[in-house]
Amino acid sequence: EVQLVESGGGLVKPGGSLRLSCAASGFTFSSYTMNWVRQAPGKGLEWVSSVSSSGSDIYYADSVKGRFTISRDNAKNSLFLQMNSLRAEDTAVYFCATNEGYCSNGVCYKTRFDQWGQGTQVTVSS
Amino acid sequence: DIQMTQSPSSLSASVGDRVTITCQASQDVRKSFNWYQQRPGKAPKLLIYDASILETGVPSRFSGSGSGTDFIFTISSLQPEDIATYYCQQYHNLPLTFGGGTKVEIK
Repeated sequence: EVQLVESGGGLVKPGGSLRLSCAASGFTFSSYTMNWVRQAPGKGLEWVSSVSSSGSDIYYADSVKGRFTISRDNAKNSLFLQMNSLRAEDTAVYFCATNEGYCSNGVCYKTRFDQWGQGTQVTVSS
Repeated sequence: DIQMTQSPSSLSASVGDRVTITCQASQDVRKSFNWYQQRPGKAPKLLIYDASILETGVPSRFSGSGSGTDFIFTISSLQPEDIATYYCQQYHNLPLTFGGGTKVEIK
């Protein structure tokens, strides 16, 4: 059974940092593109970042570029999101999600968010 | 960025009704298009990918059609467990973008 378990969320002041983790099990983690998708309170879904199966291709939404860093450790079946210079508008539930497809040179193929974790809440407030 | 416009933003229908949701992309996305269901307090769930292919295990009352800029999602016979918000999503170009969602309620 596929399991994705996010952790690391919490309350942080504006300008602060957090590191989110996503522990994966039940599938061959190293074969999948991994993603972070967030949902602000009462709002819709927003794609945040993707990392290819090898870690060589990384993409970010403009809203987080330069502040967030996605990474993965295939030996530990884990995905990470380092979030710096946090703003109030980053307040959201952050989900990790698998993707059977891939993106290359800015174009995505067979890309769909197949499996999702339960999410971790990030609140940025003074 | 490709904008995804979903309509309606909410709807109320009776059990057994046929429900239709539309999504329009701001530019041609071919069939690079997915639909998700998010029940209250839960993570989203993939229902349909590549515009019309039903994800494994998803009931056949759900269907999708369309290509290019105009897409349709249909529930052929609404069930109580279908109470949720439904989102469309394109992957033709980065950034990956979602529609604003359609909240489906039982009348």
